Amino acid sequence: QKEVEQDPGPLSVPEGAIVSLNCTYSNSAFQYFMWYRQYSRKGPELLMYTYSSGNKEDGRFTAQVDKSSKYISLFIRDSQPSDSATYLCAMSASVGNTPLVFGKGTRLSVIA
Amino acid sequence: ETGVTQTPRHLVMGMTNKKSLKCEQHLGHNAMYWYKQSAKKPLELMFVYNFKEQTENNSVPSRFSPECPNSSHLFLHLHTLQPEDSALYLCASSQSIAYNEQFFGPGTRLTVL
Repeated sequence: QKEVEQDPGPLSVPEGAIVSLNCTYSNSAFQYFMWYRQYSRKGPELLMYTYSSGNKEDGRFTAQVDKSSKYISLFIRDSQPSDSATYLCAMSASVGNTPLVFGKGTRLSVIA
Repeated sequence: ETGVTQTPRHLVMGMTNKKSLKCEQHLGHNAMYWYKQSAKKPLELMFVYNFKEQTENNSVPSRFSPECPNSSHLFLHLHTLQPEDSALYLCASSQSIAYNEQFFGPGTRLTVL
C-alpha cells in the first residue's frame, strides 16, 4: 500500500461549483498536512498547512483532516477558472529533518 | 528577484554531456532541497541541505551531484545521465529543516536524449 494515495483525475467542474479534493494515507504518525497548488509550467505553491485533526479555512479554501480515518480533504468554494491546476497533498510525521511525503496530485479543470 | 529562482528553465542534453542546474532563494532561508517530479509519480526528494550541510541523500545515483556553497545557492551537477532521468527538477527552501513549509522554484524541465 502506498503511503499517500491521491486520485490523479482529471477532475472537470463548471465555474461556481464546490470542489472536493482528497488524499488517504497509511502512516498514522503523520501529523502535519499541506496542500500545494501547481499551475502548468510552475513549481508547487503552498496553499494550506494544518496540524493534526480539524478544519482550517482561508478564503474560498477549507482544509479538513480526519486522522481517525486517515483522510484529508481540500474544499474549494465558488470555483473559478483560475483554480485550474494540479493540487498536491503532502504530509509529515514531525518537524525537524522528516521528509514530506507527497501524493501524485489531482489535476483540476474549472470550466467557464 | 523574489522567492526561489531556477536556471535554466529548460535543458536538453545528451547522455555524455555535463551540465549544471542552479537554484537561488531570496527568502533568507537556511534549508534547501532538490526534488524530481516525473509524470504520474509523487515528488521524489533527492537531497537536503541545512545551513550548507547535506543532511539527506535519498539514494540518488552518483550521476547527480549537489553543491551548496552558501544558504542562498544550490546547484545540481549532472553527468552521463540516462533518458529516464528526464523530468522536472524542482528546488525548494524552508527556514530550516525544522520547518515543514517549503517554498518551491519554477523548476528546470530536463530532457535527456
